[in-house]
Amino acid sequence: QVQLQESGPGLVKPSETLSLTCTVSGGSISSYSWSWIRQPPGKGLEWIGYMSYSGSTNYNPSLKSRVTISVDTSKNQFSLRLTSVTAADTAVYYCARNPCGGDCYSDYWGQGTLVTVSS
Amino acid sequence: QSVLTQPPSVSGAPGQRVTISCTGSSSNIGAGYDVHWYQQLPGTAPKLLIYGINNRPSGVPDRFSGSKSGTSASLAIAGLQAEDEADYYCQSYDSSLSTWVFGEGTKLTVL
Repeated sequence: QVQLQESGPGLVKPSETLSLTCTVSGGSISSYSWSWIRQPPGKGLEWIGYMSYSGSTNYNPSLKSRVTISVDTSKNQFSLRLTSVTAADTAVYYCARNPCGGDCYSDYWGQGTLVTVSS
Repeated sequence: QSVLTQPPSVSGAPGQRVTISCTGSSSNIGAGYDVHWYQQLPGTAPKLLIYGINNRPSGVPDRFSGSKSGTSASLAIAGLQAEDEADYYCQSYDSSLSTWVFGEGTKLTVL
């Protein structure tokens, strides 16, 4: 059974960089595409972006200038980096696995981690 | 507002059938892209419910079904149960935005 677990700071100061890591267990990270999705408190889901097994990335245009998703196959982890954060970036951040590329969906999700942007 | 439009809430009594709509446009659902549905129980991560319009992952009861017509899609839940009370989100791909897009979510209340 594939399991995903997000980790990283729960509090980030405005203008700083949010960094999260997702550790994948129960399966290889090399064979799938991997997404980050976030959910502001009390609101709906927002897709941030994904990295495919081939190394290509696709980001939400509204966040593209600030987002980087990378994969560390040696650790079976993938990461999210979001720069110049503001209070609007406060959300629960989920990592997820996509069984296909492009027009796809997420079949396994992490439990989510709340990141608050505040001084 | 989201690219995909869902009703904010729906409700039904136990045993009833309810449907949740997801209305898009010619650049997403109407362009032939698949529609997927997620169930989010209170305080938990979303769970894949339906993928590729009407395919259920292993473990999802056949009470849940999906359909698509034109620029809209629907999720139907038959034989409503108390444990179905959750938020439901549709998701597709939008070619003009080049992104995955989610609906705003629909809160299902079991009366």
